[in-house]
Amino acid sequence: AQSVTQLDSQVPVFEEAPVELRCNYSSSVSVYLFWYVQYPNQGLQLLLKYLSGSTLVKGINGFEAEFNKSQTSFHLRKPSVHISDTAEYFCAVSDFSGGYNKLIFGAGTRLAVHP
Amino acid sequence: AAGVIQSPRHLIKEKRETATLKCYPIPRHDTVYWYQQGPGQDPQFLISFYEKMQSDKGSIPDRFSAQQFSDYHSELNMSSLELGDSALYFCASSAGQGDEQYFGPGTRLTVT
Repeated sequence: AQSVTQLDSQVPVFEEAPVELRCNYSSSVSVYLFWYVQYPNQGLQLLLKYLSGSTLVKGINGFEAEFNKSQTSFHLRKPSVHISDTAEYFCAVSDFSGGYNKLIFGAGTRLAVHP
Repeated sequence: AAGVIQSPRHLIKEKRETATLKCYPIPRHDTVYWYQQGPGQDPQFLISFYEKMQSDKGSIPDRFSAQQFSDYHSELNMSSLELGDSALYFCASSAGQGDEQYFGPGTRLTVT
């Protein structure tokens, strides 16, 4: 069975500072990895995804993530955050062992950007 | 570009009532997923359909049922509603196995 652990439930940071949101996964099979963002009272928006290939993935809004198979991690980073980045961020995993595959989400990390 | 459409966006029901949530996937997407997100919780997978057949099942209560129709839209039927069913229900669609899932805006169900 797969699982996702987001190591920080809340991350406070000042505007223009760098940020890293940590995500570790466990799976016995190869996986796809995703980061989604959820603004208050809104749906889920895909930030970026890792399917295969380069382990450094660039997404929208200046975010990037690095897939590390040996450490089973997929940490999300941004070099300089803005107030508008304040939101809930979910890491998710999907296996491709067969079928049409559900996402397993982590518990989420609330990023709070302060002026 | 067309997105996933969910209706209604908000729904208020009383305990023991029935609710039906609808999801219209992106055109040419053949796979639909339903997720439930309780207050302050992460989204939990409920059920999915591919080409009108159930393809996977998660933590969906027996009181809930769902189906995908010939036009690929899907409906989630919820009976004997409980207070704990109050949540945001997301539908997502994708074009195939392992492909990106596009989420709808969600239906917020409040059970009083």
